[in-house]
Amino acid sequence: QQPVQSPQAVILREGEDAVINCSSSKALYSVHWYRQKHGEAPVFLMILLKGGEQKGHEKISASFNEKKQQSSLYLTASQLSYSGTYFCGTESGANNLFFGTGTRLTVIP
Amino acid sequence: KAGVTQTPRYLIKTRGQQVTLSCSPISGHRSVSWYQQTPGQGLQFLFEYFSETQRNKGNFPGRFSGRQFSNSRSEMNVSTLELGDSALYLCASSGGTSGLRYFGPGTRLTVT
Repeated sequence: QQPVQSPQAVILREGEDAVINCSSSKALYSVHWYRQKHGEAPVFLMILLKGGEQKGHEKISASFNEKKQQSSLYLTASQLSYSGTYFCGTESGANNLFFGTGTRLTVIP
Repeated sequence: KAGVTQTPRYLIKTRGQQVTLSCSPISGHRSVSWYQQTPGQGLQFLFEYFSETQRNKGNFPGRFSGRQFSNSRSEMNVSTLELGDSALYLCASSGGTSGLRYFGPGTRLTVT
């Protein structure tokens, strides 16, 4: 039930854009995105619900394709502070949130 | 509001021992979830409690158990520890209808 994330790692220069993908084999009710910096707890970025889309940040947005059971996180004009590991979490009902293995994003000057 | 707290923050145990970890959710939150985080495996879902009842359980052996008290505080117990149980254990609380999870700082368990 663990979603699959891609890519596993990405390196960007400041100002570049990135896309992180998340896919599930099960029908999804919601998709969550979190970012975890080294040595810290994961921090919520946004949640996307079936039938809707929600943006949590100015330059970070996401999409949710219910039919394909996929979500993508878009980071535009990346900043150094965007560095961290991004996790998608998927809910297929019953309040069980399963996370992917993460995408390590590194932004360099 | 105070955030999610977990105790202890660090723990070293030997194989075969058991351990109990504690999680205090954000005030007013009634749901607590537990996750195991290891390098390369991401966040593995252990179980979720709501109003003292286990609502969901991940794919972990029976050595991993938990409970939730009437004040929503939750404990996780691991019996007969194995080296592979070394990990960061995170709990997350949620409340209302948003489904957002707020994570605690985690307990770093090392099994030697």
